Amino acid sequence: KAGVTQTPRYLIKTRGQQVTLSCSPISGHRSVSWYQQTPGQGLQFLFEYFSETQRNKGNFPGRFSGRQFSNSRSEMNVSTLELGDSALYLCASSLGQREETQYFGPGTRLLVL
Amino acid sequence: SQQGEEDPQALSIQEGENATMNCSYKTSINNLQWYRQNSGRGLVHLILIRSNEREKHSGRLRVTLDTSKKSSSLLITASRAADTASYFCATDLRMDSSYKLIFGSGTRLLVRP
Repeated sequence: KAGVTQTPRYLIKTRGQQVTLSCSPISGHRSVSWYQQTPGQGLQFLFEYFSETQRNKGNFPGRFSGRQFSNSRSEMNVSTLELGDSALYLCASSLGQREETQYFGPGTRLLVL
Repeated sequence: SQQGEEDPQALSIQEGENATMNCSYKTSINNLQWYRQNSGRGLVHLILIRSNEREKHSGRLRVTLDTSKKSSSLLITASRAADTASYFCATDLRMDSSYKLIFGSGTRLLVRP
């Protein structure tokens, strides 16, 4: 099976712009979670989608949003970018049941100038 | 705030030696997982230990879990240069139906050839 894929892999934006990141889960996986990784805050949970519904959301401002499509692919959007949004954004997929492994993609590295 | 704290923050050992990393967490969990990350890339799942398990092995990896002390340890035996990476513990909180991993701050392991 192909692994989790994320596009683009690298992105440079300027403050005030918006960005959309994409994640394609492993075939058959219905849950997609997003995480932000920064040197200062570490790995932080953004949100989780299951069957096109957001099931859980982390403690991030409303500028961070996401959605999931019927084929389980997911996108996250960050509007009005700030310098502090520079990070590695990771998505992970799973079948969506409790107590199971999440499989991570390679990440999208976002740099905000 | 992060659920898990890892100790040590950094570890440097010689190839062939064993490496031990510790993780402490704050609240009740369903399971605890260990992940490896190579140089800012995606996370690779290593092992999952459930809250009713005390020890688990996978190849050169040995994980222990002490729920009374809210702590876990990861032992890598006979380390190799390729084991150089950051290692994170992640806990699945016993809360709602969604899947949310809370990551520790990580241990940076350097295995010297």
